[in-house]
Amino acid sequence: AQSVTQPDIHITVSEGASLELRCNYSYGATPYLFWYVQSPGQGLQLLLKYFSGDTLVQGIKGFEAEFKRSQSSFNLRKPSVHWSDAAEYFCAVGINTGNQFYFGTGTSLTVIP
Amino acid sequence: DVKVTQSSRYLVKRTGEKVFLECVQDMDHENMFWYRQDPGLGLRLIYFSYDVKMKEKGDIPEGYSVSREKKERFSLILESASTNQTSMYLCASSIKGWFDIQYFGAGTRLSVL
Repeated sequence: AQSVTQPDIHITVSEGASLELRCNYSYGATPYLFWYVQSPGQGLQLLLKYFSGDTLVQGIKGFEAEFKRSQSSFNLRKPSVHWSDAAEYFCAVGINTGNQFYFGTGTSLTVIP
Repeated sequence: DVKVTQSSRYLVKRTGEKVFLECVQDMDHENMFWYRQDPGLGLRLIYFSYDVKMKEKGDIPEGYSVSREKKERFSLILESASTNQTSMYLCASSIKGWFDIQYFGAGTRLSVL
């Protein structure tokens, strides 16, 4: 079955440390890729998206993500995490063929001082 | 800034009640969505609408219906609420559909007793 996988349910990092959140998908076609963030008590906000072109995408709040077709991955990174980055992060994948769109199950990030 | 407003942050209803969740967006977006968010399951699409009076079922439409009489308003209806519909409900809107940035409301946490 086609799917979006975020292998890490929960991650804890120290403030100032680097961060990488993983996202893998199993669709065969070239996807539209998104990362959204949900702060406590809030709706989701788009961090960044990839449709085509440069596979390294810059987003808001200092986040970036890299599309690796060979690994079917779109991992989210940040070089230095701030306490305000504590939130839940969702990867989402859209496939034009068949008009499919799915969110991953999310990764919860805790930032410790 | 795009604003998506969900009428209630918290709702408590009884089994068998008819429940209305309201969502309003102020950016003249064609597309609107209703998602259900449950721990470990991420976001699952209930219904979406690509125009006034137009609707399409998502992945989990059973037990729900929707109404879109005006472009800015998209209502989710639980005809006869059940305890397994206790969840967080998120509304979103976008210009071009799934493969575009979705703007989310803050969510309605519904408890069915």
